[in-house]
Amino acid sequence: DIQMTQSPSSLSASVGDRVTITCRASQTISTYLNWYQQKPGKAPKFLISGASNLQSGVPSRFSGSGSGTDFTLTISNLQPEDFASYYCQQSYSTPYSFGQGTKLEIK
Amino acid sequence: QVQLVESGGGVVQPGGSLRLSCAASGFTFSSFGMNWVRQAPGKGLEWVAFTRFEGGNKYYADSVKGRFTISRDNSKNTLYLQMNNLRAEDTAIYYCAKDQNWGLFDYWGQGTLVTVSS
Repeated sequence: DIQMTQSPSSLSASVGDRVTITCRASQTISTYLNWYQQKPGKAPKFLISGASNLQSGVPSRFSGSGSGTDFTLTISNLQPEDFASYYCQQSYSTPYSFGQGTKLEIK
Repeated sequence: QVQLVESGGGVVQPGGSLRLSCAASGFTFSSFGMNWVRQAPGKGLEWVAFTRFEGGNKYYADSVKGRFTISRDNSKNTLYLQMNNLRAEDTAIYYCAKDQNWGLFDYWGQGTLVTVSS
């Protein structure tokens, strides 16, 4: 099974900052890496597929990169609505697996 | 617009059973795979099960294999999760999620809470 490890687990930042979240797979997954955003009490929202493909309606301040085992999610010019938890997930093979999440908090 | 509405959650004793449903609308249900994903209180996301569009191939997390069964009724646009021999560690919010393409969860329901407790 493929293990996904995210870092950091939590992150404090201010509106306007640029932040980066990293995700590492325990084996190569090409670009079968997706990102989700979850706000408290809400269902996750699909942000990025294929490591770097923004879903329709997702602001361009979000970007993803990476391939193989190492991936990043970058949020530029943080907005108040971006403070949430973020999860990476591999869709290379079942069992599909998520990272443990990164909670992005307001400094 | 795509809507997924889960139901069937509740409180059940260890060893008990529960069946969750997910009513889908706003897309051609019979053309897409579907998943169940769960989230224990205060914890991260855990994929549970996947069924292909026609209900043929099914895949499960090791933690639920042999106890949970995913199924679907394409005539009713409904996804199911039959959960047997429930354990305390199965306590979670259960989400159904539409599968855009083999493991891409593009739409999620609001979730239904399952609590396993005596």
